[in-house]
Amino acid sequence: DAGITQSPRHKVTETGTPVTLRCHQTENHRYMYWYRQDPGHGLRLIHYSYGVKDTDKGEVSDGYSVSRSKTEDFLLTLESATSSQTSVYFCAISESRGVTDTQYFGPGTRLTVL
Amino acid sequence: GENVEQHPSTLSVQEGDSAVIKCTYSDSASNYFPWYKQELGKRPQLIIDIRSNVGEKKDQRIAVTLNKTAKHFSLHITETQPEDSAVYFCAASMEFSGGYNKLIFGAGTRLAVHP
Repeated sequence: DAGITQSPRHKVTETGTPVTLRCHQTENHRYMYWYRQDPGHGLRLIHYSYGVKDTDKGEVSDGYSVSRSKTEDFLLTLESATSSQTSVYFCAISESRGVTDTQYFGPGTRLTVL
Repeated sequence: GENVEQHPSTLSVQEGDSAVIKCTYSDSASNYFPWYKQELGKRPQLIIDIRSNVGEKKDQRIAVTLNKTAKHFSLHITETQPEDSAVYFCAASMEFSGGYNKLIFGAGTRLAVHP
């Protein structure tokens, strides 16, 4: 499982509240990613990180921010959660950015925004 | 824009039959094509991948073919078993801003293998 954990695994929250999801990895991988998974859309990239304090936006970044202060932790924050952010969130890691950019996923966090 | 189309969205086969899932991609510069299997409530797991310098790759009952000219690639599962039942996702690697690669995923195919 590439040493990836996510917390919490399930969360129910209310519209307008802030939410932070955590991804933790134990194998010192440089690249980390946050995806959301919704029916009919596959997995869509929210943000990614290519090193400590180095992050960039993915294709669906509006309403989300990230931080990476340590190699092992990548945090995803919803500043003010909305019902459209109800989804399953997956963290992923990879060892390189090049052709062999194989990504391995964490177990996921199911978020429900009421 | 950049996208990956995956067909069919659902596929039902009898145990022992073959299953084929097809994907097309838009960016001719894509050079890496992984396939993931996701069982209900679980994480996507890599089952096979292919790079643009290879036309076909096999791993036991699973094979992937790539046609760069037509910009499509396919997953073939032979002698299907009930445990092959899952959602399968294809993806294509595309260059992102800053020179980093990103994966664009297809919408998924739900495969059901009936005993």
